[in-house]
Amino acid sequence: DTGVSQNPRHKITKRGQNVTFRCDPISEHNRLYWYRQTLGQGPEFLTYFQNEAQLEKSRLLSDRFSAERPKGSFSTLEIQRTEQGDSAMYLCASSFGHHEGETQYFGPGTRLLVL
Amino acid sequence: DQQVKQNSPSLSVQEGRISILNCDYTNSMFDYFLWYKKYPAEGPTFLISISSIKDKNEDGRFTVFLNKSAKHLSLHIVPSQPGDSAVYFCAASVGGSQGNLIFGKGTKLSVKP
Repeated sequence: DTGVSQNPRHKITKRGQNVTFRCDPISEHNRLYWYRQTLGQGPEFLTYFQNEAQLEKSRLLSDRFSAERPKGSFSTLEIQRTEQGDSAMYLCASSFGHHEGETQYFGPGTRLLVL
Repeated sequence: DQQVKQNSPSLSVQEGRISILNCDYTNSMFDYFLWYKKYPAEGPTFLISISSIKDKNEDGRFTVFLNKSAKHLSLHIVPSQPGDSAVYFCAASVGGSQGNLIFGKGTKLSVKP
């Protein structure tokens, strides 16, 4: 399977705990994105990497959130001191440059439930 | 302030007929537009895209139309099939999709046999 993969697919945690999600992009893609989706909404941008450099962060990404992409391959998204409002689907996408525009390909997502 | 709007939360169409999903945007700097399909508990699947230098792009049963003066785009699915039943998201970006996509809230399409 050469698509974007995400692990775990589901995570249930108690408020105040830390969680970490992993995303493996399509191998030749140099850009990697994190989004969050809540019920009834479209995905909302969190952050993006070009290779290992984190180039953009949304104001949604509070200081409890941190993302890394060591060596420009897989990425991790960590949420510290989780809150019930963090419950959402966390989506990862990857892309590669194209002269007209890039298409972002999404993984299956990690569904987080904070109790 | 929503920059990408999908004003119809749901649409029901008979199998074999045309489905038309609409999307409006407010940011005139958007220059690349995409449609994604999403099934429950899965990530969005890319369907079709269009650059602002074009007004139409076709891929099999799917055609996207862009009206820049009206800041409006639409996705036509002909003929509609029951397997097309899903939530469809319109997305837009500035700078050829370098950076974040801005998504609408989605339209749930139901295709009835």
